[in-house]
Amino acid sequence: KNEVEQSPQNLTAQEGEFITINCSYSVGISALHWLQQHPGGGIVSLFMLSSGKKKHGRLIATINIQEKHSSLHITASHPRDSAVYICAVRDSNYQLIWGAGTKLIIKP
Amino acid sequence: NAGVTQTPKFRVLKTGQSMTLLCAQDMNHEYMYWYRQDPGMGLRLIHYSVGEGTTAKGEVPDGYNVSRLKKQNFLLGLESAAPSQTSVYFCASSYILGQGYTEAFFGQGTRLTVV
Repeated sequence: KNEVEQSPQNLTAQEGEFITINCSYSVGISALHWLQQHPGGGIVSLFMLSSGKKKHGRLIATINIQEKHSSLHITASHPRDSAVYICAVRDSNYQLIWGAGTKLIIKP
Repeated sequence: NAGVTQTPKFRVLKTGQSMTLLCAQDMNHEYMYWYRQDPGMGLRLIHYSVGEGTTAKGEVPDGYNVSRLKKQNFLLGLESAAPSQTSVYFCASSYILGQGYTEAFFGQGTRLTVV
């Protein structure tokens, strides 16, 4: 069983839809990262969370430490949001453990 | 402030050739990492460094060597390239905040093909 699991693996939605991507983990963590990988390959760090909720523009990330679960939400989705979204947790040895990613396609 | 810069961006090698990938960061970060990303898989840690002059093995270190002679640079070497090392390589750096929380910054990636 992977230590970090994301769902869904693939998600296709229409422009304007509310998007939720989930991440569950089984190890103790010091922080959780959400990252975005563009079709060209570049990786951008979206959020780093250790508790609660963070918001940046149309992106919202939440984490529930007790349930070992995090969600990434995108409001009013747009085709330019199409990318792979990756959840990664930092364990007690400061190492990142990566999820496999969620490929999101937003259709106009 | 350029962040994390990787060179080269693309490279094609013949089996058995050697090469070095350079990662440079200008944020005075202590931690630097080299990952590889293969189709359908998450990023896998090759080697990492927790400071100048120190390196450690990650999840998939075989066939690679690294050096961190200067704090701002982390070099990844392939001594004798193999087709199995065809991948996209990402470098990242991070700093420590408080109780081990770290923000990660990534380079743009190096696409390496070994033929």
